[in-house]
Amino acid sequence: SQQGEEDPQALSIQEGENATMNCSYKTSINNLQWYRQNSGRGLVHLILIRSNEREKHSGRLRVTLDTSKKSSSLLITASRAADTASYFCATPLGTDKLIFGTGTRLQVFP
Amino acid sequence: EAGVTQSPTHLIKTRGQQATLRCSPISGHTSVYWYQQALGLGLQFLLWYDEGEERNRGNFPPRFSGRQFPNYSSELNVNALELEDSALYLCASKEVSLEQYFGPGTRLTVT
Repeated sequence: SQQGEEDPQALSIQEGENATMNCSYKTSINNLQWYRQNSGRGLVHLILIRSNEREKHSGRLRVTLDTSKKSSSLLITASRAADTASYFCATPLGTDKLIFGTGTRLQVFP
Repeated sequence: EAGVTQSPTHLIKTRGQQATLRCSPISGHTSVYWYQQALGLGLQFLLWYDEGEERNRGNFPPRFSGRQFPNYSSELNVNALELEDSALYLCASKEVSLEQYFGPGTRLTVT
């Protein structure tokens, strides 16, 4: 399967804590994207990191990319109950389709 | 700016029937992508349309087909429905940027 792997599968934390999720992928990439999905609905694009970038920030999100290890991590700082969702990494295959990871289910308790 | 819209929100069909799902991309976006999210199988690429043409398809049987209209909206058709076609079907659109923007999805249930 071309699908990437995400770790952990599920994560439960208290509000205010940081959440870290990891993604490994299989092919060479020119960028990697992170998406959020609330309650089995549509995906919301969070952040894109290009292959020549090692770290990128957006608000409370920090993404790192290690192309030598074919891995990426998403850190959500000072988590909130509203961050409860599933998080997916995705890599483009060619110029069209996205290959998604298996996802991490994050539960943030108030 | 209006986002990607999909209809219907939910669809319940009987095995053997046909289902039609619709997607309207963000204004100005010419590419439309369809993905299937089935329980236990994750998000799988289905089809890609650009400028009215099918550009690529995933590893799905020919029962899954679609089209893109001149206004860039798109339709996904699933013929001879099987129980395992039950899933959330997501549509996404893209312009020249690298990100795909997703709609809320259509949940198809086959009984």
